[in-house]
Amino acid sequence: ETGVTQTPRHLVMGMTNKKSLKCEQHLGHNAMYWYKQSAKKPLELMFVYSLEERVENNSVPSRFSPECPNSSHLFLHLHTLQPEDSALYLCASSQDSSGRSYNEQFFGPGTRLTVL
Amino acid sequence: GNSVTQMEGPVTLSEEAFLTINCTYTATGYPSLFWYVQYPGEGLQLLLKATKADDKGSNKGFEATYRKETTSFHLEKGSVQVSDSAVYFCAGTLLGSNYKLTFGKGTLLTVNP
Repeated sequence: ETGVTQTPRHLVMGMTNKKSLKCEQHLGHNAMYWYKQSAKKPLELMFVYSLEERVENNSVPSRFSPECPNSSHLFLHLHTLQPEDSALYLCASSQDSSGRSYNEQFFGPGTRLTVL
Repeated sequence: GNSVTQMEGPVTLSEEAFLTINCTYTATGYPSLFWYVQYPGEGLQLLLKATKADDKGSNKGFEATYRKETTSFHLEKGSVQVSDSAVYFCAGTLLGSNYKLTFGKGTLLTVNP
């Protein structure tokens, strides 16, 4: 495997279900991100982990719970979601180096989530 | 507030036509600027970038120049191909952080043979 992989690619769940999205990066990076991509809206940054420590949580509802057990893996645990949470969830990774003027992010293919 | 505004789509062109997708930003300071491309069913891929004023990013025949005076980073390609059909996103590090990217809404480009 190369780059950033995400599983599953598609997920349909009911509002009472609990599921998890998985992301794995094979690039040796130390920062990982979750984004939400909804139709006709800009990408929304949900969570950022740098060196396995959460550094950003953009007021995301508690029904989304991230977990970063090591620098290569990132999970998004889902429970009691709403239909409006249906979207493409994208994972990204980058090398977080202080002092750099930019930080190129590499994206996975996404998980298409449908909440019924 | 800080934002990225890009041309509303969709944009439909014939093969070999000239492409311009406009992008402007509002930010304090001097952000780094990016164009990402998303092909159907895939995640975003970095297309090109520029980190300071007057820099020109280029890749696969696409170009964009960082214009500080007009706060713009327009994407251009001289001759598009059917395989360029995708959604294009302009983005920048507008919030003074090297990891927070602010994205535009995306522009869908369709190139017909």
